[in-house]
Amino acid sequence: NAGVTQTPKFQVLKTGQSMTLQCAQDMNHEYMSWYRQDPGMGLRLIHYSVGAGITDQGEVPNGYNVSRSTTEDFPLRLLSAAPSQTSVYFCASRRTGSNQPQHFGDGTRLSIL
Amino acid sequence: EDQVTQSPEALRLQEGESSSLNCSYTVSGLRGLFWYRQDPGKGPEFLFTLYSAGEEKEKERLKATLTKKESFLHITAPKPEDSATYLCAANQGGKLIFGQGTELSVKP
Repeated sequence: NAGVTQTPKFQVLKTGQSMTLQCAQDMNHEYMSWYRQDPGMGLRLIHYSVGAGITDQGEVPNGYNVSRSTTEDFPLRLLSAAPSQTSVYFCASRRTGSNQPQHFGDGTRLSIL
Repeated sequence: EDQVTQSPEALRLQEGESSSLNCSYTVSGLRGLFWYRQDPGKGPEFLFTLYSAGEEKEKERLKATLTKKESFLHITAPKPEDSATYLCAANQGGKLIFGQGTELSVKP
């Protein structure tokens, strides 16, 4: 059982480049979310989705886009990378029901030069 | 402002030396509190959910408790394999507000 799979694990970009971080889950979870984790700060919510075709903004959405065409996949797009987006990005999913725990992938470590 | 604060930031223990980690929160519409463990280079791993003040949950050497303003993660007779960063997160209607984490190191 793979759970939540994130690719790539590491990526280095130049300022202004765009890229897509991939996230896939095989647990048939309706809710999926993206967080970023920076030193000294807690994980912060970027975007989330309560089901296919439905997305919404979290705490720090600027500079990121998401879409949800299937239940399994929830890609995160950086439109024009900036050094401030250097971070570790985590994707998570959970079953329907706000009290359900979220299950996390192992992250993508992204550096913007 | 909704906020979750964990203390201490880092904790060093000797094997067998029991201690507690603190998570204080000010969150409107709280729907429960989660504890996670995070190993280096990995994503957070779910440990416990606490829903109401007075509730307690246990797993091996870990026990989590909840009051109206804070949660504690008690570690009894820790082992080196308990070394990790422990995160708490307040559940606000399905969205999680995370604390900064406590980095626990247990030396043999």
